Amino acid sequence: DAGITQSPRYKITETGRQVTLMCHQTWSHSYMFWYRQDLGHGLRLIYYSAAADITDKGEVPDGYVVSRSKTENFPLTLESATRSQTSVYFCASSEETQLLNGYTFGSGTRLTVV
Amino acid sequence: GEDVEQSLFLSVREGDSSVINCTYTDSSSTYLYWYKQEPGAGLQLLTYIFSNMDMKQDQRLTVLLNKKDKHLSLRIADTQTGDSAIYFCAEIRPSGGSYIPTFGRGTSLIVHP
Repeated sequence: DAGITQSPRYKITETGRQVTLMCHQTWSHSYMFWYRQDLGHGLRLIYYSAAADITDKGEVPDGYVVSRSKTENFPLTLESATRSQTSVYFCASSEETQLLNGYTFGSGTRLTVV
Repeated sequence: GEDVEQSLFLSVREGDSSVINCTYTDSSSTYLYWYKQEPGAGLQLLTYIFSNMDMKQDQRLTVLLNKKDKHLSLRIADTQTGDSAIYFCAEIRPSGGSYIPTFGRGTSLIVHP
């Protein structure tokens, strides 16, 4: 299927566990982003990637790790989950030469850390 | 960093016009966007405006840009209950050769009969 897919849709994990959120896009967009959405804070950028093997920190990177070995995948790992990481996580992608098309978002992963 | 500012809530009656306001921070922003988020869903691009434009109209949507005041607005004519959602404005900020979108906190639009 064409588009940007996030998995899982919902996840409950325990404090201290490692969890990985997946993001896959089929357009070969060069840019990919991870945001978290929290009430009162809107969307905050965690990490982004301009191309395969190139990643950069966003506004709130602490406690997260990303990788981009292939253009189409951009997994986000919480190395040791904390309750403050309970949030809705959105992945997005874009092509820099097509900014008028904006940024395309996945449907989100709702993560609860107990 | 500096924030993209939006009011948090707007309540309108069905059939009225809605105006959602946003102030952004970077005068060099080339594109400014409006996104819509329906409950339980991701963000969908509604419209964009290029920085050399003052206004853009797309069916019921009108975007106004005041570059001097760094103010962006979205007007929805004849607002319907299906327009109830969270609306985000976003600017693109250059960062080390990349262009990174920064979003406001979102305005919850509530449309009542």
